Amino acid sequence: KNEVEQSPQNLTAQEGEFITINCSYSVGISALHWLQQHPGGGIVSLFMLSSGKKKHGRLIATINIQEKHSSLHITASHPRDSAVYICALHTGTASKLTFGTGTRLQVTL
Amino acid sequence: DTGVSQDPRHKITKRGQNVTFRCDPISEHNRLYWYRQTLGQGPEFLTYFQNEAQLEKSRLLSDRFSAERPKGSFSTLEIQRTEQGDSAMYLCASSFGGSRAGELFFGEGSRLTVL
Repeated sequence: KNEVEQSPQNLTAQEGEFITINCSYSVGISALHWLQQHPGGGIVSLFMLSSGKKKHGRLIATINIQEKHSSLHITASHPRDSAVYICALHTGTASKLTFGTGTRLQVTL
Repeated sequence: DTGVSQDPRHKITKRGQNVTFRCDPISEHNRLYWYRQTLGQGPEFLTYFQNEAQLEKSRLLSDRFSAERPKGSFSTLEIQRTEQGDSAMYLCASSFGGSRAGELFFGEGSRLTVL
């Protein structure tokens, strides 16, 4: 079993829809990252969470440490949100991240 | 500072050739990471530097791979005698360390194609 699993793997939504991407993990963590990767390959860090909830614009990230689960929400989705969203765990020594395989989001007009 | 930069962005090489990638991190960051990403997969950790010291290497980093960060600033990742299985995106990231450890900043990646 992978240490971190994301669902769904692929998601298609219409512009304006509310989107939720889930991340479950099985190990102890010091923090969890949500990252966005566009087709060109570059990765942008969206959030780093160790508890509770964070909000930035239309993006909201929550984490439940007891349940080992995090969610990324996108409100009022837009085609420019189309990307791969990756959950990554910061464990132990914080020397590296363990990445999920990502959720590919396509937002259509 | 313009962020983390990587060079070259794309490299096509023949099997058996050596390739070298360069990463220039954000100047204030003392931690630098190399990751490898193959199609449809999340990035996998390769190695990590704190200043000029290479503190951790993944078992993915075979003897053909070597990374350096000689002055604690830019880093190079060299792959010797490339194989087709080395074809991937090589990502560099940097961050603060110690009490300021946290958010990672990624470069755009260097895509390697081995023919």
